[in-house]
Amino acid sequence: GQNIDQPTEMTATEGAIVQINCTYQTSGFNGLFWYQQHAGEAPTFLSYNVLDGLEEKGRFSSFLSRSKGYSYLLLKELQMKDSASYLCAVREGNSGYALNFGKGTSLLVTP
Amino acid sequence: KAGVTQTPRYLIKTRGQQVTLSCSPISGHRSVSWYQQTPGQGLQFLFEYFSETQRNKGNFPGRFSGRQFSNSRSEMNVSTLELGDSALYLCASSLQISYNEQFFGPGTRLTVL
Repeated sequence: GQNIDQPTEMTATEGAIVQINCTYQTSGFNGLFWYQQHAGEAPTFLSYNVLDGLEEKGRFSSFLSRSKGYSYLLLKELQMKDSASYLCAVREGNSGYALNFGKGTSLLVTP
Repeated sequence: KAGVTQTPRYLIKTRGQQVTLSCSPISGHRSVSWYQQTPGQGLQFLFEYFSETQRNKGNFPGRFSGRQFSNSRSEMNVSTLELGDSALYLCASSLQISYNEQFFGPGTRLTVL
């Protein structure tokens, strides 16, 4: 099984940068995912990391350190539409595509 | 290309009843996973199907079951409903099993009274 921890809530200002952390414990790591979920909508895929380091995709970047069981999602130039829940999910080696999700971080972007 | 579709979108049942939810994956996708989302527990994995076979199962009681058809469409069934089964049930599809990106449907909101 896995323990996945991320902050429950965060608040940031429009135009700023915010970092959402995720720590995990797993017996057979096989990938870490970040999803964005707006209220009342389905989660949408943001990023995937399987090797250590930073993956950049536009305003969003995701970092992974497997030895530390740690990842973060970095959101730059925040926009009001970035207000959403951000879900960290870990896949174990023998679990097929099954993902184990953290409980999500609710991000509020204020003017 | 149409996304993942789930029917019905909303459902109200009473304790003890059973329910069947349906999921149609994106055309060409062969892997379907089901998740339960509640405010308290977040997103929890139910099961995963590929080529009509259950490949993985989460920690849910046997009242939760599913199947996949030859056209990759999938159904999940919950028998003897309990109040705690009230949740958003999400289906996600991907091209292959263990593929990196999966796409979620809008979900079925189940309320058990």
